[in-house]
Amino acid sequence: NAGVTQTPKFQVLKTGQSMTLQCAQDMNHEYMSWYRQDPGMGLRLIHYSVGAGITDQGEVPNGYNVSRSTTEDFPLRLLSAAPSQTSVYFCASSYAGGAGQPQHFGDGTRLSIL
Amino acid sequence: AQSVAQPEDQVNVAEGNPLTVKCTYSVSGNPYLFWYVQYPNRGLQFLLKYITGDNLVKGSYGFEAEFNKSQTSFHLKKPSALVSDSALYFCAVSSGGYNKLIFGAGTRLAVHP
Repeated sequence: NAGVTQTPKFQVLKTGQSMTLQCAQDMNHEYMSWYRQDPGMGLRLIHYSVGAGITDQGEVPNGYNVSRSTTEDFPLRLLSAAPSQTSVYFCASSYAGGAGQPQHFGDGTRLSIL
Repeated sequence: AQSVAQPEDQVNVAEGNPLTVKCTYSVSGNPYLFWYVQYPNRGLQFLLKYITGDNLVKGSYGFEAEFNKSQTSFHLKKPSALVSDSALYFCAVSSGGYNKLIFGAGTRLAVHP
């Protein structure tokens, strides 16, 4: 049982480049989300989705796009990378049904923008 | 606005001693409170949650947490620490219809032999 799988694990980009961080889950979870983790700031929500075709913004959405065409996949796109987007990115999933469901996290993508 | 505070950047404990990692929260409405643990180069793992009911919640690996509504706190505890408990611990809160988590900054727990 793979759980939440994120690819790539590491990536270095130049300022202005674009890329897509991949996230896939095999638990048939309705809810998926993307967080970024920065030192001393915990995790902050970027975007989330409550089901295929439905996405919404979190706390820090600027510079990122998402789409949800299937239940399993929730890619995160950086349109024009900036050094401020250097971070560790985590994808998470959970069952829907309210705010009390534990979330399952992937192992993260470590992204450096030069 | 919802917020979570973890007042200690690091907690140092000797193996075998009890440990406490502190968390206070601010949220409108009923809080859903969580503790997650992160080991190096890994994602967060769920430890325990408080939704309603008994104020003492038991979770994975012998951890427990005490919900205190009057002090708006949700401290993580373990009666006897292990060196393998050394990790980064996050407190998080959610409220409302969707499972959007607000995290604290994290507390690094170091358990010394």
